[in-house]
Amino acid sequence: EPEVTQTPSHQVTQMGQEVILRCVPISNHLYFYWYRQILGQKVEFLVSFYNNEISEKSEIFDDQFSVERPDGSNFTLKIRSTKLEDSAMYFCASREGQLYEQYFGPGTRLTVT
Amino acid sequence: AQTVTQSQPEMSVQEAETVTLSCTYDTSESDYYLFWYKQPPSRQMILVIRQEAYKQQNATENRFSVNFQKAAKSFSLKISDSQLGDAAMYFCAYRSAGASGTYKYIFGTGTRLKVLA
Repeated sequence: EPEVTQTPSHQVTQMGQEVILRCVPISNHLYFYWYRQILGQKVEFLVSFYNNEISEKSEIFDDQFSVERPDGSNFTLKIRSTKLEDSAMYFCASREGQLYEQYFGPGTRLTVT
Repeated sequence: AQTVTQSQPEMSVQEAETVTLSCTYDTSESDYYLFWYKQPPSRQMILVIRQEAYKQQNATENRFSVNFQKAAKSFSLKISDSQLGDAAMYFCAYRSAGASGTYKYIFGTGTRLKVLA
């Protein structure tokens, strides 16, 4: 069964550094999402992406964040200058169409030191 | 804005027994979807069951069933004949069903289910 994959599984970075989290959605899916989960807290929506543009973003998704679908298969989340509070598990998800549920990747644990 | 509340941070159940996980939500919308996702340790979230708000019948998937009370805005998950493999974090999620929109999920904080042998 097709799966959403994410790399790396764990990323450690220093405060102020840029990180790129990568996701490969399921191939025929059209809608893409990033969520994050700070340890012990709920999973929060960051951004949704459709037709090569952001369709919605949360207030967490400030100018330090960006998303891209550079080559038709990968879907990336970039954090330009990481802060300690960016430490979290980041989940990518994709969806086929309007009526379908989202499929989630295994997550990338980002640790900012 | 919609909210989802899971008031049980952790639950335990004896193998082969039945357990119910609670979820309440708040919304002003009349049409929406509700989901239960299971997240085993270090694994991705997997859809357990889905309920469309316009359907009065409670969804069932094998050992998993829901008790959907639309007026009370309650959406509990019942796991029958619990198995060791059911041990995981369970998330309740809400999604709008409007014709437009991004259909983002709004999650609860999760309930960690332990299954005792």
